Amino acid sequence: GQNIDQPTEMTATEGAIVQINCTYQTSGFNGLFWYQQHAGEAPTFLSYNVLDGLEEKGRFSSFLSRSKGYSYLLLKELQMKDSASYLCVGLDSNYQLIWGAGTKLIIKP
Amino acid sequence: NAGVTQTPKFRVLKTGQSMTLLCAQDMNHEYMYWYRQDPGMGLRLIHYSVGEGTTAKGEVPDGYNVSRLKKQNFLLGLESAAPSQTSVYFCASSPLPDRGEKLFFGSGTQLSVL
Repeated sequence: GQNIDQPTEMTATEGAIVQINCTYQTSGFNGLFWYQQHAGEAPTFLSYNVLDGLEEKGRFSSFLSRSKGYSYLLLKELQMKDSASYLCVGLDSNYQLIWGAGTKLIIKP
Repeated sequence: NAGVTQTPKFRVLKTGQSMTLLCAQDMNHEYMYWYRQDPGMGLRLIHYSVGEGTTAKGEVPDGYNVSRLKKQNFLLGLESAAPSQTSVYFCASSPLPDRGEKLFFGSGTQLSVL
């Protein structure tokens, strides 16, 4: 079966760094997305990785290891507005999206 | 540029009533999707469309019907609403997904079935 695993909830302090991990099992693989979703809002795109390695976009970075079926999202210099759910999404060989349940990130002052 | 417009934003139904959710996109996207999101769960695909006049079942299609008569519109229908269909519904669109194109989402519909 296809599956995305990520922690349910994480807590971090404003100004710190947090890493949200994701492991995936998909039928074939055509990439992995990270989306951010604030409470009561729609998801918004953060990143897409299809090759191994780290992609950096400002305070956010995403890493992929295809051989390990593993990805992480790294958030630096945390701000209160980063409090949200972070969704890990796999793209399988048929270009179907497999959604994780999301990691709720709580930022404390 | 409106992007993806989803209506209505809120709706309360009684069991057995019917309704239609409308999704409209102005980006000329081929793919359109309807998802539902329940507390503590990821998005679950109800139905999707890969182009005008085509529809396909997703992960949880039972109790829902869809139509895509025009490329820009994707309608989701509930013929006889049930309390289990209480959820937040999101419409999304995207170009062809073969290059990891991101999804553009509507703002969501909070549906309560009593």
